[in-house]
Amino acid sequence: ETGVTQTPRHLVMGMTNKKSLKCEQHLGHNAMYWYKQSAKKPLELMFVYSLEERVENNSVPSRFSPECPNSSHLFLHLHTLQPEDSALYLCASSQEGAGGQADTQYFGPGTRLTVL
Amino acid sequence: GQNIDQPTEMTATEGAIVQINCTYQTSGFNGLFWYQQHAGEAPTFLSYNVLDGLEEKGRFSSFLSRSKGYSYLLLKELQMKDSASYLCAVTQNTDKLIFGTGTRLQVFP
Repeated sequence: ETGVTQTPRHLVMGMTNKKSLKCEQHLGHNAMYWYKQSAKKPLELMFVYSLEERVENNSVPSRFSPECPNSSHLFLHLHTLQPEDSALYLCASSQEGAGGQADTQYFGPGTRLTVL
Repeated sequence: GQNIDQPTEMTATEGAIVQINCTYQTSGFNGLFWYQQHAGEAPTFLSYNVLDGLEEKGRFSSFLSRSKGYSYLLLKELQMKDSASYLCAVTQNTDKLIFGTGTRLQVFP
């Protein structure tokens, strides 16, 4: 499955480092999402971009900074993270319709982040 | 607020049938999704229900009762590869997905 790709797949970083996660979707979708998945907790929505504009920011700390340069690419810039930020970060995309039924989100494989 | 409940873990035997339940409380309900997630992999879409009733798709079926805030995922003729986590997620208004914690299913020979 190569509809949504994420790099890197694994990342280990210190609290003072700056790194970026990359997501690319090849499905022609117009909406992209960042989620955080921690052990034994539900998937948490972090950010939503629709037509390259941020439409949702779920009270995420400013040490996480998203960027959506075009409808196919999404980045998550990380700086001065904390050990509790260690988690699986998942990207997803969907095609937003005119209304009515919800749109199916398709996920990438995630980046496993460890903050030391 | 929103609340989604599903069992944490379930076990079943190869060839059997298993039902994974999900109950929810949410405003602006706009449908319910089931996803399958193998360890270390992406969640993959299984089903979407917005109207009451049963949706069948091969060995997997999903049921929804909007009045009861209840859904289940039914897996028939279980195979070892069905061992995974099954995520229930409800949508609100603008397609915002709210996930449950997931049910980890282990299938034994």
